[in-house]
Amino acid sequence: GESVGLHLPTLSVQEGDNSIINCAYSNSASDYFIWYKQESGKGPQFIIDIRSNMDKRQGQRVTVLLNKTVKHLSLQIAATQPGDSAVYFCAEKRGGTSYGKLTFGQGTILTVHP
Amino acid sequence: DTAVSQTPKYLVTQMGNDKSIKCEQNLGHDTMYWYKQDSKKFLKIMFSYNNKELIINETVPNRFSPKSPDKAHLNLHINSLELGDSAVYFCASSPLTGEKETQYFGPGTRLLVL
Repeated sequence: GESVGLHLPTLSVQEGDNSIINCAYSNSASDYFIWYKQESGKGPQFIIDIRSNMDKRQGQRVTVLLNKTVKHLSLQIAATQPGDSAVYFCAEKRGGTSYGKLTFGQGTILTVHP
Repeated sequence: DTAVSQTPKYLVTQMGNDKSIKCEQNLGHDTMYWYKQDSKKFLKIMFSYNNKELIINETVPNRFSPKSPDKAHLNLHINSLELGDSAVYFCASSPLTGEKETQYFGPGTRLLVL
């Protein structure tokens, strides 16, 4: 399954499928991007980050892709598990003297069915 | 060991009251933040402190006053609470500069104003 980003904030997949969560960011001056996972009743948890001088970064079962031309960020989760069910947020930080200010996207609800 | 901790986890109070939320981080980070998450899960930064100095203030009503007694603590005091203040408040911390600018979030304080 594939999310079409902010216009479809809910993504349902079967266990074992690959998930793709999309995010359109707003500021072409942003130089740092993070994906967070937020489980019910908990705080956002860091998943993976990427700087603007890269277009792809891989972690354990997760890959972040950055397309600066169209200001698009995606999170790919391989072999999605029920424990991946959560709300996923992308966040951007503007370069220069933004002092770490993160601007968060709307969030996408991922539901993984066993 | 809890990296970023907040107290209390739940706070239910009457309109017009004054309340405080406390935050502590044991990560040795220089920068701490307060975020507000509304009922639609939208996360927005409120304040940021670097080494006890205010560096971000996002047009938050002056009923909200952050206080940083030392760089490991950032408390949030709210005067004359209003119904619209009901939300989840998250504290976060990060190293401000360098390779890793990731922000690490606390578990949140769920504030309900009646």
